[in-house]
Amino acid sequence: GAVVSQHPSWVICKSGTSVKIECRSLDFQATTMFWYRQFPKQSLMLMATSNEGSKATYEQGVEKDKFLINHASLTLSTLTVTSAHPEDSSFYICSAGDSRNQPQHFGDGTRLSIL
Amino acid sequence: AQSVTQLGSHVSVSEGALVLLRCNYSSSVPPYLFWYVQYPNQGLQLLLKYTTGATLVKGINGFEAEFKKSETSFHLTKPSAHMSDAAEYFCAVNPSGNTPLVFGKGTRLSVIA
Repeated sequence: GAVVSQHPSWVICKSGTSVKIECRSLDFQATTMFWYRQFPKQSLMLMATSNEGSKATYEQGVEKDKFLINHASLTLSTLTVTSAHPEDSSFYICSAGDSRNQPQHFGDGTRLSIL
Repeated sequence: AQSVTQLGSHVSVSEGALVLLRCNYSSSVPPYLFWYVQYPNQGLQLLLKYTTGATLVKGINGFEAEFKKSETSFHLTKPSAHMSDAAEYFCAVNPSGNTPLVFGKGTRLSVIA
């Protein structure tokens, strides 16, 4: 079945650094990828919709200059958390889908810890 | 706009007992409905989905759900709970693969020995 790979699974870094998270669709072309953020004991919150070859669409309240999204190919989207601070610590999950690919498939998530 | 309501943020059952996790949705179009399970520090695993056709949907690990349009519900059930079923369960809805899923707030299932 369809598989989405997310890397890294866990990252710890110092405040002020930038962190890049990759989301790859392994056996299908993902015209659309989604990035979610999940706080402890809460549901997933959509951050942005990433469309191949165009700018991402951010949800209200999500800083586009803080969370840079690039979707340069049909199999790869990246989320870069720029100048990360402790409040950016969270669990980030990507999903990928296309017009035929139901359901959307999720990566295993990235736990980001900013010290 | 679509929305999902999961009744009960925490459900506790005894091992071997019936599991019932409730999900109600609102949607302006015929929905696609999903149940996902999440174990600690892991991503989401699809349990089952409803797109069209048979309203009783069977999924993995012995779970099933029934789509009831008249009640706008998609409750998840399992006849006999196992300790390994303890996890967070999310109900979700979306109209197509190119739109994001709308999630409920989740229900944490505890299984007591």
